[in-house]
Amino acid sequence: AQSVTQLDSHVSVSEGTPVLLRCNYSSSYSPSLFWYVQHPNKGLQLLLKYTSAATLVKGINGFEAEFKKSETSFHLTKPSAHMSDAAEYFCVVSLGSTLTFGKGTMLLVSP
Amino acid sequence: GAGVSQTPSNKVTEKGKYVELRCDPISGHTALYWYRQSLGQGPEFLIYFQGTGAADDSGLPNDRFFAVRPEGSVSTLKIQRTERGDSAVYLCASSWTSETDNEQFFGPGTRLTVL
Repeated sequence: AQSVTQLDSHVSVSEGTPVLLRCNYSSSYSPSLFWYVQHPNKGLQLLLKYTSAATLVKGINGFEAEFKKSETSFHLTKPSAHMSDAAEYFCVVSLGSTLTFGKGTMLLVSP
Repeated sequence: GAGVSQTPSNKVTEKGKYVELRCDPISGHTALYWYRQSLGQGPEFLIYFQGTGAADDSGLPNDRFFAVRPEGSVSTLKIQRTERGDSAVYLCASSWTSETDNEQFFGPGTRLTVL
């Protein structure tokens, strides 16, 4: 069985400050891990993915995530938040062809 | 190019009615997936197709739910005898193949409300 746990349901930051969205995974085998973003009234969009290559993965819009096997974590970070980053973020694990989503973290960005 | 499209965008129905939700995948994508997203939750897998056949339907909650993809392109999710608990956003995604690290491209979803 595989699962992901997103440790925060909401994260609030000020524009220009760093972003950290936390995710822990559980998987019997080496997983593929993803972060997706969902803006209001828009479809889910892939931010980045880890598939057993480099442990530090760079994605779109300045986001990156680091796979840490010893900690079973895949936290998402960004050095400086923009207002346009306000959205819901999902950590996702895949062992086969289907995706298992976390419950999501709502990122709120204040001016 | 065109992304994944889903129709209708919103569907309101009464308890006990039958509904059909349509998904048009990206042209050329052989794999197609259905997910359901309830309020405050992440999407949950329902079923996926590789070509015309359902490769994995383990996420369908019960036999009131059924999906088809007769020509390997458009898919229809069918729900019989709808219940209030079926209210959710139904998401469709497609990818080039069903291999693990293939990116799944998501449609905007159909919001189903059962009164």
